[in-house]
Amino acid sequence: QKEVEQDPGPLSVPEGAIVSLNCTYSNSAFQYFMWYRQYSRKGPELLMYTYSSGNKEDGRFTAQVDKSSKYISLFIRDSQPSDSATYLCAMSVGNNNDMRFGAGTRLTVKP
Amino acid sequence: EAQVTQNPRYLITVTGKKLTVTCSQNMNHEYMSWYRQDPGLGLRQIYYSMNVEVTDKGDVPEGYKVSRKEKRNFPLILESPSPNQTSLYFCASSLREAYGYTFGSGTRLTVV
Repeated sequence: QKEVEQDPGPLSVPEGAIVSLNCTYSNSAFQYFMWYRQYSRKGPELLMYTYSSGNKEDGRFTAQVDKSSKYISLFIRDSQPSDSATYLCAMSVGNNNDMRFGAGTRLTVKP
Repeated sequence: EAQVTQNPRYLITVTGKKLTVTCSQNMNHEYMSWYRQDPGLGLRQIYYSMNVEVTDKGDVPEGYKVSRKEKRNFPLILESPSPNQTSLYFCASSLREAYGYTFGSGTRLTVV
């Protein structure tokens, strides 16, 4: 079993839809949770960063962490074609050499 | 502009021919890492550096070397590349532990 599981998709939604992206994990020691966005032929870009459980909102993006269920989510409201990218979840116990990434979910938002 | 710069962007080489991928960051970050990205496997850490002259192995270090002689530079060296090292490579830097990385644009390496 992988330490971090992420549905690879692909996921295709119409413009304006609410998108839900999810990851599950097995290591209960993870306490830092991140979402990265990766456009084609580009490096990952840090989108959201949260510590421990709870919600964090930034514009159209909301990150949720449920440590009891070992489950994290990223919600995108009013999705736009410019949101089309691969989204990677990442998590860490607290050291840069133990960060674990999901395999990524490819999202397409159709106009 | 704050960034991580990798070169080259694309590289095709033959088995056994030594190569170096350069990485430089202009943000004065202490932490730097190299990752490889393969379909279905996600990003896997190759090597990691906490500061000048301090490096550590990641999850997949076999066949790779790194050095950190200056804070801004963190080159990745493949002494004798093999076809199983064909991959997309990313250099990344971070201000502090678990803070999240700034990634370079990637180097697509093909070993034939």
